[in-house]
Amino acid sequence: QSVLTQPPSASGTPGQRVTISCSGSSSNIGSNYVYWYQQLPGTAPKLLIYRNNQRPSGVPDRFSGSKSGTSASLAISGLRSEDEADYYCAAWDDSLSAVVFGGGTKLTVL
Amino acid sequence: QVQLVQSGAEVKKPGASVKVSCKASGYTFTSYGISWVRQAPGQGLEWMGWISAYNGNTNYAQKLQGRVTMTTDTSTSTAYMELRSLRSDDTAVYYCARDDSGSYWDWGQGTLVTVSS
Repeated sequence: QSVLTQPPSASGTPGQRVTISCSGSSSNIGSNYVYWYQQLPGTAPKLLIYRNNQRPSGVPDRFSGSKSGTSASLAISGLRSEDEADYYCAAWDDSLSAVVFGGGTKLTVL
Repeated sequence: QVQLVQSGAEVKKPGASVKVSCKASGYTFTSYGISWVRQAPGQGLEWMGWISAYNGNTNYAQKLQGRVTMTTDTSTSTAYMELRSLRSDDTAVYYCARDDSGSYWDWGQGTLVTVSS
């Protein structure tokens, strides 16, 4: 059971906009930055969003992050087949003194 | 460019220990921390802990306390993660990541550790 809660799956058609949610608590998302990672099949995770809504250079602006209270979201617009991957949210948890991850969301591009 | 190159796959028996290395290049090693994250087959990501490459300070996940040790060798820009008293549920791909105040900018390629009798 993950500390951060994500839907196990999401899907969309090419060109669509999809949103992946990440729900936490006051000790993690509510008081710390949220990070998002993309993991393509058989590869290491890649930083997609840092500090809630910042994109590393090289990450398309189709990807955006937001946070409100104890929840965060990753939005992907103009969905493309190469976006098919697992997506994880992460945050520091003050109570656990540890980084906590969501269980991951498998995105399927139909 | 930043590279983190990890040691190769390992097969260990229950009760044994494993030590995974992570050699960094392309940046000033002591300016960042190294975090370790593992992923059991078909499962999600699990944070194992963090080590400062500057002063060796560590912070381990509570569930691994007493079984895990993270170290660095600044002379070779290499980080190490040792896990002892291995169990079957330690079977996973182990990743190191360059940690910049919580942002894992760069990742190693992963090391598969299989625990089986």
